[in-house]
Amino acid sequence: EAQVTQNPRYLITVTGKKLTVTCSQNMNHEYMSWYRQDPGLGLRQIYYSMNVEVTDKGDVPEGYKVSRKEKRNFPLILESPSPNQTSLYFCASSLTRVGAGYGYTFGSGTRLTVV
Amino acid sequence: QKEVEQNSGPLSVPEGAIASLNCTYSDRGSQSFFWYRQYSGKSPELIMSIYSNGDKEDGRFTAQLNKASQYVSLLIRDSQPSDSATYLCAGTRNTGNQFYFGTGTSLTVIP
Repeated sequence: EAQVTQNPRYLITVTGKKLTVTCSQNMNHEYMSWYRQDPGLGLRQIYYSMNVEVTDKGDVPEGYKVSRKEKRNFPLILESPSPNQTSLYFCASSLTRVGAGYGYTFGSGTRLTVV
Repeated sequence: QKEVEQNSGPLSVPEGAIASLNCTYSDRGSQSFFWYRQYSGKSPELIMSIYSNGDKEDGRFTAQLNKASQYVSLLIRDSQPSDSATYLCAGTRNTGNQFYFGTGTSLTVIP
């Protein structure tokens, strides 16, 4: 089944404790992206990647890191999480650049709580 | 000014009616637009994309794009209770590499 898989689905952590949210897609998609969703603010892009070893900042990159060492994987790293990073996170992938008319396929989401 | 503006709703329509969802955008260079449906606690699902002026139909859904007026709309015919969800409008920036979303419109279809 074609899908974007995120893990974990739920995570509660403490301030400052490094964590990684994994994302993997099995559709051979070039583009991958991370979004966070907060009430009243909608979906905001954190980072995106156009291909292996090519990444760029989205609208809210502060406090996050990403890497794209393999085409299928795009992990999100929080080096020192803070409570304002409590949010619902989505990984998404697209066959090619979204301006060509291709939309993103989203993972199931990771609900992160930082206390 | 937000790049994509949507009326947050809630919008309520009776079962069988036409639901009309609207979205305006500020970047005149935006090329492609997308409508996503998101059930509470779930991930967004792509309904339709549109990049040419005019209408595009897919089953009970019709997307409309008017680039001169910078608005996009989604019509849902014969609305069903299962259509109750938040509908997200999204567009691409002129560079084509980034995707931006509106905050969504909550739709409730009343049986």
